[in-house]
Amino acid sequence: DAKTTQPPSMDCAEGRAANLPCNHSTISGNEYVYWYRQIHSQGPQYIIHGLKNNETNEMASLIITEDRKSSTLILPHATLRDTAVYYCIVFAGGTSYGKLTFGQGTILTVHP
Amino acid sequence: GAGVSQSPSNKVTEKGKDVELRCDPISGHTALYWYRQRLGQGLEFLIYFQGNSAPDKSGLPSDRFSAERTGESVSTLTIQRTQQEDSAVYLCASSLALLAGGDRYFGPGTRLTVL
Repeated sequence: DAKTTQPPSMDCAEGRAANLPCNHSTISGNEYVYWYRQIHSQGPQYIIHGLKNNETNEMASLIITEDRKSSTLILPHATLRDTAVYYCIVFAGGTSYGKLTFGQGTILTVHP
Repeated sequence: GAGVSQSPSNKVTEKGKDVELRCDPISGHTALYWYRQRLGQGLEFLIYFQGNSAPDKSGLPSDRFSAERTGESVSTLTIQRTQQEDSAVYLCASSLALLAGGDRYFGPGTRLTVL
């Protein structure tokens, strides 16, 4: 599976949009982009995923560039409870679909 | 409904002892996954089950680690002759089926400390 690069940490003011970038320049055509987050002392939580179209759900929006080499997770109105480690993962599925693995992620701190 | 539960929540053991970690997935979830997270590190995939079968055990760190699942429900991760480097949070997740990657529900983890 393709490697991802994320900034180690980001800050965001409460109520503002949090835009978390992810580079995945070696992504291949059949790999999806997934985002999970992990709030302190809890297990990871699925947020959103996409292949090439932008996606939106009740938690966040995912913007994937046309060349698919990078993406941005957008939390439109960040709250203090959104403080967490955010993981960007690219994943092909297929015979390796059990092996979803997580890198270092971005520590997002939302402050008042 | 009930989420993924894991027990014990904390386990302190002495080096060389065996430990068993338990995972109760969400009822009806056929796929189950084990991960390890060392302090300050990302998640490290260990093994997954589709039903009772574990097709790929290559993620297990050594032959001291084993896992089993019975009846498409409870899974146990066993670590024999524990070492200090085994200290970590062990996370279990389940999903309705072996999906591409979303809809995995994680448990709270078992924090293992090997003295």
